[in-house]
Amino acid sequence: AQSVTQPDIHITVSEGASLELRCNYSYGATPYLFWYVQSPGQGLQLLLKYFSGDTLVQGIKGFEAEFKRSQSSFNLRKPSVHWSDAAEYFCAEIISNFGNEKLTFGTGTRLTIIP
Amino acid sequence: DAGITQSPRHKVTETGTPVTLRCHQTENHRYMYWYRQDPGHGLRLIHYSYGVKDTDKGEVSDGYSVSRSKTEDFLLTLESATSSQTSVYFCAISERGNYGYTFGSGTRLTVV
Repeated sequence: AQSVTQPDIHITVSEGASLELRCNYSYGATPYLFWYVQSPGQGLQLLLKYFSGDTLVQGIKGFEAEFKRSQSSFNLRKPSVHWSDAAEYFCAEIISNFGNEKLTFGTGTRLTIIP
Repeated sequence: DAGITQSPRHKVTETGTPVTLRCHQTENHRYMYWYRQDPGHGLRLIHYSYGVKDTDKGEVSDGYSVSRSKTEDFLLTLESATSSQTSVYFCAISERGNYGYTFGSGTRLTVV
């Protein structure tokens, strides 16, 4: 079963508008969670991560994410998107298997920015 | 990415031929991972290693084998390539998850 769910396959947002990308996790009482971004033809870049502590996490490029245990969610937000934010975004979670760790990804959300 | 390289970057191969992809690290990290990326599926874990000669299967391991005879190298082998294995393959390394992961630049494999 998918441990990380990104319910939105594709989102279109106007430049300057706010953005929220959804992520739900299903593993662990204390999850380790990540958001990555991938521009076309490029590798993965870490935006932010959550391990513990403050549930509002600040990342690079003006992104933030909020961990909500009650909703099993870790949604990514940005108050005002730029055309350069067009990319694919992946939520990920560390799964521990007999003490060994593996990073499991959601299926991704493709973000399109319109003028 | 610094400390991790994948080779080759691109490869075209014929159905039924064996293919080996290499991931090399200079960070002396414990964990190494192989993922494949396909549209609509995100990144799916093929195999991973938690030490020399210690490997385990991921969610899409059928048709793939791996070997890690030394810390710095993690090899992914397609014993008999099929068209369904056409994909972009990413390697990643980590010492521990909460220390972060570093990804390679990817290998684009086309099986014709």
